[in-house]
Parts: sequence; C-alpha cells; structure tokens
Amino acid sequence: RKEVEQDPGPFNVPEGATVAFNCTYSNSASQSFFWYRQDCRKEPKLLMSVYSSGNEDGRFTAQLNRASQYISLLIRDSKLSDSATYLCVVNPTGGFKTIFGAGTRLFVKA
Amino acid sequence: ETGVTQSPTHLIKTRGQQVTLRCSSQSGHNTVSWYQQALGQGPQFIFQYYREEENGRGNFPPRFSGLQFPNYSSELNVNALELDDSALYLCASSLKTELNTEQFFGPGTRLTVL
Repeated sequence: RKEVEQDPGPFNVPEGATVAFNCTYSNSASQSFFWYRQDCRKEPKLLMSVYSSGNEDGRFTAQLNRASQYISLLIRDSKLSDSATYLCVVNPTGGFKTIFGAGTRLFVKA
Repeated sequence: ETGVTQSPTHLIKTRGQQVTLRCSSQSGHNTVSWYQQALGQGPQFIFQYYREEENGRGNFPPRFSGLQFPNYSSELNVNALELDDSALYLCASSLKTELNTEQFFGPGTRLTVL
C-alpha cells in the first residue's frame, strides 16, 4: 500500500461545478497535512494547510479525518484557472520526510 | 515568486556521467529538501539538509548525495547516471520548527539522461 494515495483522475468538470478530491495516508502518526497545486511543467505551490478542525479559503475547503486517515479538498464554483494537478502532502510526526501523493489532474472546461 | 532558485534549468547528460544541481533557498530558511519528480508522478523525497547536515533520506541509492553550505544553499550530486534518473529535480526550502511548515519550491531542474 502506498503511503499516500489519491484519486487517480483526471477529473473533467464544467465551469461552476463543485469537485472533491480524496486522499488517504497510511501512517497514523502523521502530523501535518497540506494540499499543493502544480501547474503543467511548473513547481508545486502550497494551496492550503489542512487542520483537524477543517479549514476554508474562499472557494476551497479542506477536511481532515484522523480516525479514517483521510484528507479531502473541495473546490466550489470551479474556474478555468483551477485546471491543474492537486497534490496531497503528508508529514509524519517529528519527521523530515515529506510524502506526496501522485496527484489528481483537474480539467475545468468552459 | 518563492525566492528559491535552481540552476541549471535544463540539463542533458549521458549514462554513467555525473551531475551537480544547485539550489538557493529563500532568505531566512535553514532547511533544504530535494525531490525527484518523474513524469506523471508526485515528487519523491530524496533527502533533507538542515544546518549543513543531512537530516533524513528517502529511498534513493548512495549515488545521490548532497551538500548544504553556510548560507543554506545546497547541491544535489548524482553519480553514475542511469536512464531512469531522467526527471524534474525540485528543491524546497523551509524554516525548521517543531511542526513541519510550508515548503517553498524552486522552479526545478529538468534532467534528461540519454
């Protein structure tokens, strides 16, 4: 089993749609969680951190379920500019090793 | 922009050769991590340097080695290049605290091994 697994995608959605990405992690001691966005042939950039209480940033909502070792990202009112690969990222407790999922590709179409 | 720079942008090498990639971290950051990203995959952790010492390593062979300098810039060296080493190499800088914090990535070096 991979340490971090994401929906394989790709997701093809129309503008204005709501889309949800899921991610599971295997190390129950993991402490820090993030969603990064990566545009084609560019470096990953932090989209948002994921907190136990859940957090929202505009159209983006991240949730963490420690019991199920599950992280989600919800994008509401999708824009063309949201088209990218979304990477789920996990850091183990006190650890140095950042683990990335393989990413889920999103295409938003007009 | 993140303030993290990498050089060179692109590089073509042949099997068996050696390569050195460079990374300048963001001002104020003391930690640099290196990642290998193959096409269609997420970045894979190679190793991390903190205050000039290797702070942890992923599942990469010893021919992948690195350095961090007093100004916190860093190098990744790969010896005896193999075809499978062709990938985007990313460095990320961060400020080491008790909890892992956001990493800021450089634009990457795209290495092609022929």
